[in-house]
Amino acid sequence: DTGVSQNPRHKITKRGQNVTFRCDPISEHNRLYWYRQTLGQGPEFLTYFQNEAQLEKSRLLSDRFSAERPKGSFSTLEIQRTEQGDSAMYLCASSPGTSGSIQSQYFGAGTRLSVL
Amino acid sequence: GIQVEQSPPDLILQEGANSTLRCNFSDSVNNLQWFHQNPWGQLINLFYIPSGTKQNGRLSATTVATERYSLLYISSSQTTDSGVYFCAVEADTGNQFYFGTGTSLTVIP
Repeated sequence: DTGVSQNPRHKITKRGQNVTFRCDPISEHNRLYWYRQTLGQGPEFLTYFQNEAQLEKSRLLSDRFSAERPKGSFSTLEIQRTEQGDSAMYLCASSPGTSGSIQSQYFGAGTRLSVL
Repeated sequence: GIQVEQSPPDLILQEGANSTLRCNFSDSVNNLQWFHQNPWGQLINLFYIPSGTKQNGRLSATTVATERYSLLYISSSQTTDSGVYFCAVEADTGNQFYFGTGTSLTVIP
């Protein structure tokens, strides 16, 4: 068990470009979450998956954002036509299950996005 | 959505001191977790505690769900305890998680 893995760790892009981030959850964790964190703030929920199904999306997730989790394993978060306001740390977390203490979330190290 | 307020926003302690961090939330929850974000940005799960009391070494947490608050106790603080402590909740009516703005703790030797 190597923990939640996120790639890349850092991404610098120009405004208007598309970017894609990857998250590999802990093996056999069936819940996967995406968050965004800006400096001095707590993480903001974006979306979550139960296996391959995307069950909840925040209003923060504009139509430029899309997330997938094919086959219920790794997940990708794509941002199209990036804007400077998208600059943030993007965090992924996973949890083993849906009830009791197995809802505990385990976070990856994040992908820091800078939009120039 | 649920409002999550943490206090104090900032805390400076001498090594060896004890502290209490508070998390207030505005609605009923079925999931409450405490996290520590270290100076390198990694979020570490401390407790899953929607109700009751738990202890893990020098840390303990208590959630009084009926009064909508949770407390995190740090005893005999060490410099490695420095960082930001977050409380996160999930409403029992939905699947979104809400984080507080955190308590920034600095432990000085």
